[in-house]
Amino acid sequence: GQQVMQIPQYQHVQEGEDFTTYCNSSTTLSNIQWYKQRPGGHPVFLIQLVKSGEVKKQKRLTFQFGEAKKNSSLHITATQTTDVGTYFCAGSANAGGTSYGKLTFGQGTILTVHP
Amino acid sequence: NAGVTQTPKFHILKIGQSMTLQCTQDMNHNYMYWYRQDPGMGLKLIYYSVGAGITDKGEVPNGYNVSRSTTEDFPLRLELAAPSQTSVYFCASKPGTYEQYFGPGTRLTVT
Repeated sequence: GQQVMQIPQYQHVQEGEDFTTYCNSSTTLSNIQWYKQRPGGHPVFLIQLVKSGEVKKQKRLTFQFGEAKKNSSLHITATQTTDVGTYFCAGSANAGGTSYGKLTFGQGTILTVHP
Repeated sequence: NAGVTQTPKFHILKIGQSMTLQCTQDMNHNYMYWYRQDPGMGLKLIYYSVGAGITDKGEVPNGYNVSRSTTEDFPLRLELAAPSQTSVYFCASKPGTYEQYFGPGTRLTVT
C-alpha cells in the first residue's frame, strides 16, 4: 500500500533559526496536505498542494510539491516559540478513482523551539 | 458551531471489555473518518464514511466497528479490547472540499 515517509522525526532549533521537514511518498500523489498539531492538541489543517512543482506561502511558512508529485517540503523561516508542535504531511492518491478524501499520514516532525 | 466533538476525553478499559467512542459533527459534512495516533507513528485510518449508511475499512480496521445512521454521528466500537488498542483516537469530518476537521481526541488506555 501507499507509504508516506517524513524526516526528520525530531528537530530542535533556537528561536530565529529556520526549519524544514521533508515528505516522500512511495506512489504518485494527487495532492498533499500539511497539518500542525500542538502538544496535547489535535491536527489542524494548514494547506493543500495539488499541482506539480507548486509553491505556496503563508507568512513565514513555505510549502512545495515536487515535480513528480511524490515529495513535498515545509520550510519555516525565523522560527518562533509559537511554531512548536508536530507537523504532518498527508497524501491522497486517486489510483484511478475517487479517494473519498482518504489520507495517508507521514510520521510527523516534532519541532521544538528554544527561546 | 461546535465543530467535531468526541466523548469521552479519557478512558481506561480492561482487557476484553468493549466500549464505544462517540463522535458528532454539526457542520453537515458527508465525509467522516476515524484515526488512531500512536507515538511517533503518525495517524492511521481505521474506518471512514462517505455519508449516512455508508462505511468502509481504512488501513487498520481489525478490532473495530463503525456505524453511520445519521450525518452527524459516527461512533467507533471496540470489541474485546486489547493492550494494542491503547492509543489516541481522533475523529474527523470533511465537506465536499479537501480540508479535514479534527475533534479533540479520546485518550484510551487498555490494561
